Amino acid sequence: NAGVTQTPKFQVLKTGQSMTLQCAQDMNHEYMSWYRQDPGMGLRLIHYSVGAGITDQGEVPNGYNVSRSTTEDFPLRLLSAAPSQTSVYFCASSYRQVGYEQYFGPGTRLTVT
Amino acid sequence: SQQGEEDPQALSIQEGENATMNCSYKTSINNLQWYRQNSGRGLVHLILIRSNEREKHSGRLRVTLDTSKKSSSLLITASRAADTASYFCATDAGYGNNRLAFGKGNQVVVIP
Repeated sequence: NAGVTQTPKFQVLKTGQSMTLQCAQDMNHEYMSWYRQDPGMGLRLIHYSVGAGITDQGEVPNGYNVSRSTTEDFPLRLLSAAPSQTSVYFCASSYRQVGYEQYFGPGTRLTVT
Repeated sequence: SQQGEEDPQALSIQEGENATMNCSYKTSINNLQWYRQNSGRGLVHLILIRSNEREKHSGRLRVTLDTSKKSSSLLITASRAADTASYFCATDAGYGNNRLAFGKGNQVVVIP
């Protein structure tokens, strides 16, 4: 199994551009989530999904959209990038809901200029 | 919302010593998990302790949970250089609350 994969690994955007961060898992996990990690802030939850077709907001959802059309994929869309969205983004998945071991992807380092 | 929060000190120890780090949280929890993050990498799950458990062991790791004090500790015994990493606790409230709240992390440096 590849586990949780994320693409791209690095990305530089200009303010106002949009892009999609890709996340996929091959473990048939129901729960998937997106976090951003900033220095000194730990990980903050952006959006999560408890199954295909079901998404919900986390702690810092503004400026981001998600969809979950399949069990495997959970893309994160930045609608109009801002410098405040410069961060490292992690996707994670778990077997069922949040009270299980989370499997993390390798992360995407995003810089918005 | 609940928030796992580690004591913010960075820890620097000699190889072979024990490393202890703490986590406190604000509201009732269902589970508490500890994760390790090596520099530039994703997080790796270490151990999960449920709210009705007080202590759990996994190899050189020992986790305790005190729900009356809303706190947990992670002990790494006989540390190795490879244990150099950041360690995060994460809590969930259960009961349909599907959010996992991470603390800010504790950086541990093990000197060979």
